[in-house]
Amino acid sequence: AQSVAQPEDQVNVAEGNPLTVKCTYSVSGNPYLFWYVQYPNRGLQFLLKYITGDNLVKGSYGFEAEFNKSQTSFHLKKPSALVSDSALYFCAVRDGRGSTLGRLYFGRGTQLTVWP
Amino acid sequence: NAGVTQTPKFRVLKTGQSMTLLCAQDMNHEYMYWYRQDPGMGLRLIHYSVGEGTTAKGEVPDGYNVSRLKKQNFLLGLESAAPSQTSVYFCASSYRLSGSGDTQYFGPGTRLTVL
Repeated sequence: AQSVAQPEDQVNVAEGNPLTVKCTYSVSGNPYLFWYVQYPNRGLQFLLKYITGDNLVKGSYGFEAEFNKSQTSFHLKKPSALVSDSALYFCAVRDGRGSTLGRLYFGRGTQLTVWP
Repeated sequence: NAGVTQTPKFRVLKTGQSMTLLCAQDMNHEYMYWYRQDPGMGLRLIHYSVGEGTTAKGEVPDGYNVSRLKKQNFLLGLESAAPSQTSVYFCASSYRLSGSGDTQYFGPGTRLTVL
């Protein structure tokens, strides 16, 4: 069965400091991994995804994520946080097998707050 | 190019009333999805569609029905609303499944309250 865990409900960081939002996953086959961001009263916006290849994936707004197969993790990172990065972040996983027809399994979300 | 749009944005229902949520996409996507978002629970898939005229159940389908009569539209119906269906509903769409992995694009959401 596919599942995603975001172990931190909330992450607080000072502006200018590096940030990390953690995600671990469980899938039967090869994982396709995604990060989405949700600003207040808005829909989810795609940030980045890992399908195959380089373990370090770069995405929108200066975010990047590192795929670690041995630790089954896909942590979201940014070298220098901005107050405008404050939002709800979701990790999602899809099994690479065709039988799951593109269904995504989402984590519960991590609220990121960046203090000025 | 509007992407994924949802109507209405807000709605308040009384228990037992019915309503239909409309999702439209202009990206010629094959796949469409309905999710609900509840605090602390992430997004859960209600129903999805892999093409015009086809639908399938997701993780939490009970109390909902869907239809995909046109490729660009995906309707979510509540026949007899219950307070447990108070939630924020998101529609999403993606291209036909491919080896590179599909990104789902989300609408702005519908906030539904059932009294």
